[in-house]
Amino acid sequence: GESVGLHLPTLSVQEGDNSIINCAYSNSASDYFIWYKQESGKGPQFIIDIRSNMDKRQGQRVTVLLNKTVKHLSLQIAATQPGDSAVYFCAEKLRTDSWGKLQFGAGTQVVVTP
Amino acid sequence: NAGVTQTPKFRILKIGQSMTLQCTQDMNHNYMYWYRQDPGMGLKLIYYSVGAGITDKGEVPNGYNVSRSTTEDFPLRLELAAPSQTSVYFCASRKGQDWDQPQHFGDGTRLSIL
Repeated sequence: GESVGLHLPTLSVQEGDNSIINCAYSNSASDYFIWYKQESGKGPQFIIDIRSNMDKRQGQRVTVLLNKTVKHLSLQIAATQPGDSAVYFCAEKLRTDSWGKLQFGAGTQVVVTP
Repeated sequence: NAGVTQTPKFRILKIGQSMTLQCTQDMNHNYMYWYRQDPGMGLKLIYYSVGAGITDKGEVPNGYNVSRSTTEDFPLRLELAAPSQTSVYFCASRKGQDWDQPQHFGDGTRLSIL
């Protein structure tokens, strides 16, 4: 999800459950989307990406879904583990951009409980 | 393989002081980026470079300068530090040959201006 200001939306998930993190992206002209994970005190770490000509892509324990009709992106994490606790960001690239510049959402805090 | 390395990790400056944030990458990436991240917010692009000798402004360039004399290094300069520049600064790079490639980030420089 998205937010403005100091309070990130928080998703609390029990260990072993599946997580779904949502992102409403801003521009229908975006052609490339990325999910990043940011642990406390670290830089963003690439998780998975998807082109706009796809609607689903799977990685190891993660799946990204893209719904261009409603400009919605989601990240699904299977069998959530304590190490998945972090802030997750979605980012988008405009089709007109030639330099790979990304626009980032504000992020979602994921807290995994035992 | 070190990836993207940022120094220093932490710094406290007085108002009006200047400093250079260092960023170096060992992946032979053409494209490099500087972002700032304020508490609870996504990343905002300050400057970017598409190769040695080529730089351009991002979304929030005021108060900063950059140079790119080599492929590996992309330093960010603050000339007259202001409290509004208190933030966490991230450097990123990507190969740049194809448009659908993710950026790879360093672990950031945490800067406080007092």
